[in-house]
Amino acid sequence: EPEVTQTPSHQVTQMGQEVILRCVPISNHLYFYWYRQILGQKVEFLVSFYNNEISEKSEIFDDQFSVERPDGSNFTLKIRSTKLEDSAMYFCASSDHLRNNQPQHFGDGTRLSIL
Amino acid sequence: RKEVEQDPGPFNVPEGATVAFNCTYSNSASQSFFWYRQDCRKEPKLLMSVYSSGNEDGRFTAQLNRASQYISLLIRDSKLSDSATYLCVVRSSSASKIIFGSGTRLSIRP
Repeated sequence: EPEVTQTPSHQVTQMGQEVILRCVPISNHLYFYWYRQILGQKVEFLVSFYNNEISEKSEIFDDQFSVERPDGSNFTLKIRSTKLEDSAMYFCASSDHLRNNQPQHFGDGTRLSIL
Repeated sequence: RKEVEQDPGPFNVPEGATVAFNCTYSNSASQSFFWYRQDCRKEPKLLMSVYSSGNEDGRFTAQLNRASQYISLLIRDSKLSDSATYLCVVRSSSASKIIFGSGTRLSIRP
């Protein structure tokens, strides 16, 4: 069964540094997403991406964050000037379209630890 | 009011028992509904979509009540492997994002 893959599985970064989290969505999917989950808290939406542009973003997704689809397969989340509170699991997801109750499929996440 | 609200549990039930979770959502424009499960420190995994007429997948039954804005999940003949956090997930028609509830923890004991 096709799956969403994420790298790295664990990223440790010094506060203030930039980090790039990578995702390869399911190949025929058109919608891509990033979510985060702070330890012990619920999964929170960050951003959705369709047709090479952001379609929706949350209040969390401020100027510190950016997304990109640099080629036909990768979908990246860049976090600039990282803060301690950016420590969380970051999940990438994809779906083939928004109609007919199509679910989002999640990668197994990148654990980001800011020191 | 939270967008998606669940009883956090934990539910601690013996193997073989039937257990049910409810979830309420605040946005009446919500169109798509799902149950995901999440094991400790793992990604959410789709358990089942929830259809208006209700649907069943093996031991799992999901129901939707649009008038009262709640979704339910019933697990019959529970197994040890059902121990997880069950996430109620909702999407509105105008949005691409999905909103997660905080999850209900289920623990099945032998």
